[in-house]
Amino acid sequence: EPEVTQTPSHQVTQMGQEVILRCVPISNHLYFYWYRQILGQKVEFLVSFYNNEISEKSEIFDDQFSVERPDGSNFTLKIRSTKLEDSAMYFCASTEESRGGAFFGQGTRLTVV
Amino acid sequence: KNEVEQSPQNLTAQEGEFITINCSYSVGISALHWLQQHPGGGIVSLFMLSSGKKKHGRLIATINIQEKHSSLHITASHPRDSAVYICAVPPGSARQLTFGSGTQLTVLP
Repeated sequence: EPEVTQTPSHQVTQMGQEVILRCVPISNHLYFYWYRQILGQKVEFLVSFYNNEISEKSEIFDDQFSVERPDGSNFTLKIRSTKLEDSAMYFCASTEESRGGAFFGQGTRLTVV
Repeated sequence: KNEVEQSPQNLTAQEGEFITINCSYSVGISALHWLQQHPGGGIVSLFMLSSGKKKHGRLIATINIQEKHSSLHITASHPRDSAVYICAVPPGSARQLTFGSGTQLTVLP
């Protein structure tokens, strides 16, 4: 069964460092998303991406965040200068259609120290 | 903005019991998702439904669009069903999902 894969599964970084979280969505999917879940809290939407551009973003997704689809398979989330409060589980998701079933990756646990 | 409320927050059951988790939302939607989050953190999509009822194995999801309410039922619960169950809906015409707070289910042997 096709799946969304995320790497790394866990990343520890120092405050102020840049991190790139990587995702390989399902190959025929067109819509890509990043969500995050701070420990003990609900999952929150960060950004959606379609046709090589951001289609929607939340207020969390400020100038410190960026997304890119550098090639036909990868979808990345970059945090330019990490803060302690960026520590969370980050999930990538993709859908074939705009309102199709969502397929989630296993998540990347980011710890900022 | 769509507010999503789930109940109960925590649920402990004995193996074999029938489980019901409820979800209500504030704004009309095209479809509602039920998701399962394992202790390791991974999220699995269980159902996407826009009307009526769907069944997959021991899991049944129902939705009442008029009442803006959905339920997830687990028949003959088993300890391996222990997980967080999350209801999620698209906020208005947007594509992304707004998540409920989740229901932590623990099934005891």
